[in-house]
Amino acid sequence: IAGITQAPTSQILAAGRRMTLRCTQDMRHNAMYWYRQDLGLGLRLIHYSNTAGTTGKGEVPDGYSVSRANTDDFPLTLASAVPSQTSVYFCASSPDNYNEQFFGPGTRLTVL
Amino acid sequence: GQNIDQPTEMTATEGAIVQINCTYQTSGFNGLFWYQQHAGEAPTFLSYNVLDGLEEKGRCSSVLSRSTGYSYLLLKELQMKDSASYLCAVITGDYKLSFGAGTTVTVRA
Repeated sequence: IAGITQAPTSQILAAGRRMTLRCTQDMRHNAMYWYRQDLGLGLRLIHYSNTAGTTGKGEVPDGYSVSRANTDDFPLTLASAVPSQTSVYFCASSPDNYNEQFFGPGTRLTVL
Repeated sequence: GQNIDQPTEMTATEGAIVQINCTYQTSGFNGLFWYQQHAGEAPTFLSYNVLDGLEEKGRCSSVLSRSTGYSYLLLKELQMKDSASYLCAVITGDYKLSFGAGTTVTVRA
């Protein structure tokens, strides 16, 4: 693994289903982030983690949860997906919360 | 909430210069980033300003004025591959990154 990876690349999901988006980085960065990107709205922060074992809410956290059990992984879970969660999801990491962020390739999620 | 404004679209000619403006009103300020994002791809870092003044890297320059809440990104000697979205983002007082909606730049021959 080099950098930051996300899985799956894309997913079509029925409303009401549970879904976990995976994010892994091998740069030993302390901070990790989840964003969603919607046309005309830009990137919006969902949840973040400044260091392993801690998480915080961003601008649009409702309907999403995260965990940070170790430095490398930061999964995002949709407990019961709704159509308004159709979006492109980007995971990012940075050495600390005031540094440049490195973005993963994104997951395109469609909820029907 | 955070307010970060940038133009939606700009068009420029290959070989020319384009200036992308960004104004912000945020709860606290700890730095401003510019990212480039090609269609269907992830954002990539271009520049970072935390103090007033100019930062230069290759064909790319960024200027910050903290007193006026204003920054601009200057792209020189435009190439077709510079056609992309350019995202202005501010690290706010609670050390979260807040993004503008992005400016789509189209470079024409």
